[in-house]
Amino acid sequence: GAGVSQSPRYKVAKRGQDVALRCDPISGHVSLFWYQQALGQGPEFLTYFQNEAQLDKSGLPSDRFFAERPEGSVSTLKIQRTQQEDSAVYLCASSSTRVTGELFFGEGSRLTVL
Amino acid sequence: DQQVKQNSPSLSVQEGRISILNCDYTNSMFDYFLWYKKYPAEGPTFLISISSIKDKNEDGRFTVFLNKSAKHLSLHIVPSQPGDSAVYFCAASSRETSGSRLTFGEGTQLTVNP
Repeated sequence: GAGVSQSPRYKVAKRGQDVALRCDPISGHVSLFWYQQALGQGPEFLTYFQNEAQLDKSGLPSDRFFAERPEGSVSTLKIQRTQQEDSAVYLCASSSTRVTGELFFGEGSRLTVL
Repeated sequence: DQQVKQNSPSLSVQEGRISILNCDYTNSMFDYFLWYKKYPAEGPTFLISISSIKDKNEDGRFTVFLNKSAKHLSLHIVPSQPGDSAVYFCAASSRETSGSRLTFGEGTQLTVNP
């Protein structure tokens, strides 16, 4: 597609369930980012991939969060044993450059943990 | 520790007038700054950026000003149009220390009244 695609757009999970959020970046984009946006806040960095290599995962809030990009294209963010504080919009972004530049964001996946 | 702050949660202006959105930062290592615009249920979209070697960058109706000594930047929109109504996020990066990672402010909701 022309833009960054994320699925599902909306996910409701019971506390303790595992969830997986998918991101299809713009074709050919080297860099891929995951951000978490809580209600009324700005996006907060979670993790960064350059091709298939996860170069920075310092923003992941706990070891329940795991991200992968095995073939350097599609990425999955997995949250194990979800907690209520995990409720947020999870944004994926991609970029064609290896240095800071314009990021193209997807529409996000809104996760609600009951 | 909020390294990028947007102190005004909301701003309302009349169509045709100037909109000025402000952003302050604390990390002196930041050397690249961006503004993103976000409509409801969409991902943020890139608007304009500025490198720390400049103090002004202009693109059509949008101008970003950077005051490094004050650690302050602003986005000017003139003339403002109703379609500019959105949440505006300021973001910053330190290319030397954090590479492509962006740190976002909390956002300012701009409403342009017809």
